[in-house]
Amino acid sequence: GDQVEQSPSALSLHEGTGSALRCNFTTTMRAVQWFRKNSRGSLINLFYLASGTKENGRLKSAFDSKERYSTLHIRDAQLEDSGTYFCAAEDGSSGNKLIFGIGTLLSVKP
Amino acid sequence: GALVYQYPRRTICKSGTSMRMECQAVGFQATSVAWYRQSPQKTFELIALSTVNSAIKYEQNFTQEKFPISHPNLSFSSMTVLNAYLEDRGLYLCGARDEGAAETLYFGSGTRLTVL
Repeated sequence: GDQVEQSPSALSLHEGTGSALRCNFTTTMRAVQWFRKNSRGSLINLFYLASGTKENGRLKSAFDSKERYSTLHIRDAQLEDSGTYFCAAEDGSSGNKLIFGIGTLLSVKP
Repeated sequence: GALVYQYPRRTICKSGTSMRMECQAVGFQATSVAWYRQSPQKTFELIALSTVNSAIKYEQNFTQEKFPISHPNLSFSSMTVLNAYLEDRGLYLCGARDEGAAETLYFGSGTRLTVL
């Protein structure tokens, strides 16, 4: 089965509200990265975590290797936050290979 | 800052022909380059991982004969899709990392391949 299970696959938020995306892993991962795919198709780095939590503006991410999950919290969502968000986990046994989640399509509406 | 430029952004090729895509790292040394493909309705899957001074490692279902990769120096990598067919269409991404300096993998904007 899939090693990285990302949910939800789609999310609609009103401006100013917040929510969380989650990735569950079927095995122990060494680290996780979160990306946002912008309108031009570029993957923008949001976070890299080997453990714990990181915060950047209205985004906050957590990674628990032992419990096999990572989350990305968005608060006070803005229209420009719309896009597809991906988590990607590093399986330490496979070198630097990143295993991507299926992505979450976030739509922020006025 | 660290940037990865990938070109062309889009390309169309006839079935059975080949096309080459390039990846350039700016602002850091790309000691490790990974090529991924996102096929329609799927997530990104790793094609191969190239580390300078090491052999290129291909994932299952991908071969050097089909996707030859060149990584001649610390700022440039290229990959060719040989004898492209419909199942090869998708978005090809190159991700680069400086193994000695940062854990983060930086991605280019991708090359979208359409096969007619």
